[in-house]
Parts: sequence; structure tokens; C-alpha cells
Amino acid sequence: EAGVAQSPRYKIIEKRQSVAFWCNPISGHATLYWYQQILGQGPKLLIQFQNNGVVDDSQLPKDRFSAERLKGVDSTLKIQPAKLEDSAVYLCASSLAGGDSTEAFFGQGTRLTVV
Amino acid sequence: GNSVTQMEGPVTLSEEAFLTINCTYTATGYPSLFWYVQYPGEGLQLLLKATKADDKGSNKGFEATYRKETTSFHLEKGSVQVSDSAVYFCALRWGGYNKLIFGAGTRLAVHP
Repeated sequence: EAGVAQSPRYKIIEKRQSVAFWCNPISGHATLYWYQQILGQGPKLLIQFQNNGVVDDSQLPKDRFSAERLKGVDSTLKIQPAKLEDSAVYLCASSLAGGDSTEAFFGQGTRLTVV
Repeated sequence: GNSVTQMEGPVTLSEEAFLTINCTYTATGYPSLFWYVQYPGEGLQLLLKATKADDKGSNKGFEATYRKETTSFHLEKGSVQVSDSAVYFCALRWGGYNKLIFGAGTRLAVHP
């Protein structure tokens, strides 16, 4: 079974530029998460989708971050314009919807460096 | 709101030592609890889980028991190996939409 795919793996941009990350979840997984993991910290949930609807974006900095999940499958996360403090690893995860035993599977992440 | 608190690291142990990494949580309702592990250069992967009070999750010699009375889910291993060196994250999931949040992580370093 293919895992969660993310691209690119690494990205270096200058501040004030824009960047986009792509995630393809495991087939059939209705729930998709985007996390930001700053070096030395735990993953922080940015946005969660259930199919193509947003169920939580309370910690997404909406003045610069946006995300979409068209057709309820793959998703993109965009930052525009980027700031130095956006340097982090951006993780995508997916899981089946509902059920106590459902597990979230993570992609390898995209490491963003803003200079 | 719901939250997860882990003991700060790094935790440095000799091979074959006993490991405990503390995790406590704050949550409404009946959450599920998880431990994820991140080995150097790799992505997050599930280590073990427990979905209700008094459940014990176990995997690869690691164990954790869901203690509702103390709101804890401490990770233990009787004899660590060098290959266990990684960052360990305690996580909490709740609600009909499976919201999932993480603690700050605890780095474990095991030396021969």
C-alpha cells in the first residue's frame, strides 16, 4: 500500500516569496491533516480536512497561509508571503474517518527554509 | 482546550537501562492516546495506542497504559537499545472528526 506522498522534500526561498506544498494521502482516507513542526518542537496542527471540507483551521495564519483539498483527495498548502519564522517541516497526514482505532499515517514532510 | 504535556528531554540512557517518558493530558470526553516515534531522518510513525481507560498499548517492547484517574499515558521500556534513539511524541485524538494534537516531544539518546 502506498503511503502519504509529499513534495517537494526540501525548499529554500527568500522572505516575502511564495511557496506551495503538495500532499497525496493514502487512497480512501477521508481525513487529511497539515502540521507545522518547528525544529525542536512537536507538530502543530494547521488545518484538518474531512473529505473536501475544513473541520479545523483555528491555528492557520490565514493572512498568509491557505490550503485546499479539491475533490477530497490531494491537497496543497500555500504560504504567501513567507516569513523567516515559517522555516519548519510541513507534515501531511491522513486517516480513515471515524473509529477509535483509526491511525494517522504521516508523509516524510517538506523542509522549508526561509532566508 | 485539550492539550498534551511531555517530560522535557533529552533523556540519555545506557543500553539495557529502564525507560520512562512521562505524558499527561487534558481533554474533555473520552480521547484516544498515542505514542509516535521519529527516528533520525525519518517521518513520524505510530508506536502504540490505547483507545479507552485502562487499555495497555504495546509494541517493540514499549508499553503505555491509559490512566484516566491520573490523566496519564507514560511510555516505558524495560531494556532500551541504541536503536531506540529517537524523538518520542505523545498524542491525543478526540471528537467525531478525529482531531489529533501532539506534545512537544522527548528526545531519547541511548549509548552503548
